Amino acid sequence: GAVVSQHPSWVICKSGTSVKIECRSLDFQATTMFWYRQFPKQSLMLMATSNEGSKATYEQGVEKDKFLINHASLTLSTLTVTSAHPEDSSFYICSAKGRKGTQYFGPGTRLLVL
Amino acid sequence: DAKTTQPPSMDCAEGRAANLPCNHSTISGNEYVYWYRQIHSQGPQYIIHGLKNNETNEMASLIITEDRKSSTLILPHATLRDTAVYYCIVLGNAGGTSYGKLTFGQGTILTVHP
Repeated sequence: GAVVSQHPSWVICKSGTSVKIECRSLDFQATTMFWYRQFPKQSLMLMATSNEGSKATYEQGVEKDKFLINHASLTLSTLTVTSAHPEDSSFYICSAKGRKGTQYFGPGTRLLVL
Repeated sequence: DAKTTQPPSMDCAEGRAANLPCNHSTISGNEYVYWYRQIHSQGPQYIIHGLKNNETNEMASLIITEDRKSSTLILPHATLRDTAVYYCIVLGNAGGTSYGKLTFGQGTILTVHP
């Protein structure tokens, strides 16, 4: 149990385009999901908290207009990187909070912006 | 949230027990200790968590000192596949802006060798 999936697992896009990443909790419902970013040789950094049916809460320094988050159902949250630039290239990871509060992580999405 | 201190790296022989320490001297009474690990290029994997009692599951054991200022994650019979970065995280429990947010430090790089 407690499986979280992400799609796509990797994506290459041109600078200026937008990319959507999906995060799904497969066998449980999650009212809260989280989005993280990880640059090479660094630890995970929390970007935002996604709550089902309400607006996401962004961490300091994360542009909400650039990283659009939608949590339309109890099993799906999406992160859209708008007008992506090479500096947005990173490993994006989501997590979903289970019923007892433990967070379960997806496998991550590797984004490369050319 | 309480900060944690972990050694940057550890080695362990395959088949032996791996004991990973973590200091969290400023932990509050209602904060849990969580352990995750991240194998290269994957999302973090939940291992175990505890409040004050020792815990054991199919993956590991968690030993928390009586004063709760430190803990040890024990992998009883380490295998090569246990090579990963191990994160000890104290989770904000109730209220405040850090509620439910995992803050990842640098963790301990555990290398299991033949």
